[in-house]
Amino acid sequence: EAGVAQSPRYKIIEKRQSVAFWCNPISGHATLYWYQQILGQGPKLLIQFQNNGVVDDSQLPKDRFSAERLKGVDSTLKIQPAKLEDSAVYLCASSSLTGVGSPLHFGNGTRLTVT
Amino acid sequence: SQQGEEDPQALSIQEGENATMNCSYKTSINNLQWYRQNSGRGLVHLILIRSNEREKHSGRLRVTLDTSKKSSSLLITASRAADTASYFCATRQGAQKLVFGQGTRLTINP
Repeated sequence: EAGVAQSPRYKIIEKRQSVAFWCNPISGHATLYWYQQILGQGPKLLIQFQNNGVVDDSQLPKDRFSAERLKGVDSTLKIQPAKLEDSAVYLCASSSLTGVGSPLHFGNGTRLTVT
Repeated sequence: SQQGEEDPQALSIQEGENATMNCSYKTSINNLQWYRQNSGRGLVHLILIRSNEREKHSGRLRVTLDTSKKSSSLLITASRAADTASYFCATRQGAQKLVFGQGTRLTINP
C-alpha cells in the first residue's frame, strides 16, 4: 500500500509569515493526526481527526495554527503568523481505526525553519 | 505533556551486541507501543503490547511490560548497523491520544 504522503519536504520562512503543509493519508484510513516534533524531542500531538471531525485539538495553538480535513481524506495544517519556536518537523500520521490497537503510519514530515 | 520517559537518552554499542531501552510512564494505560525513527524520516511502528500482556516478540525484538511498575523495555538482539535510529515508546490511555516519550538514540558501531 502507498504510504502517508506529505509536502513540502522542507520549508524556510521568516517569522510572521504564513505557511501550509499538506498530507494525504493511506487510502481508507479514517483517523488522521498532525504531530509537531522539535529537534531532540518526541512527537507532540497537535490535532486528531476522525473522518472530517476533530477528536482532539487540545494542544493546538489555535491563535496561530489551524487545520482541516477535506472530505475526510487529505488534510492541511496552517500556521499564521509563524514564530521562531515553530521551527520543527511536522509529521502527519494515519490509522485505520480509532481503536486503541491501531498502529500509526507516519509520513516523512515537513521540516520547517522559521528565521 | 509527555507520558513516557525513555532511558537511557542515548546508547552506543558494538554490532552484534544486544541493546536494551526502557520506558516508564505515569498513568494506567490500555497499550504501549514502540516506534523507530531513522534520521530525517517518519516514525515506523515496531510492536504493540496490551496492558494484559507481559511479553511479546517480533523477530529480533522483545518487549516486556510491567504494569505494576509502570515500565516497559525493548530488547534488540544481535544488533546491526541498520538498527541505528531513535526509539520511542508511546502510551495510549483508553481511547485517548497516543503520547510519545522523548526517545532513546541508539548507535550501532561496526
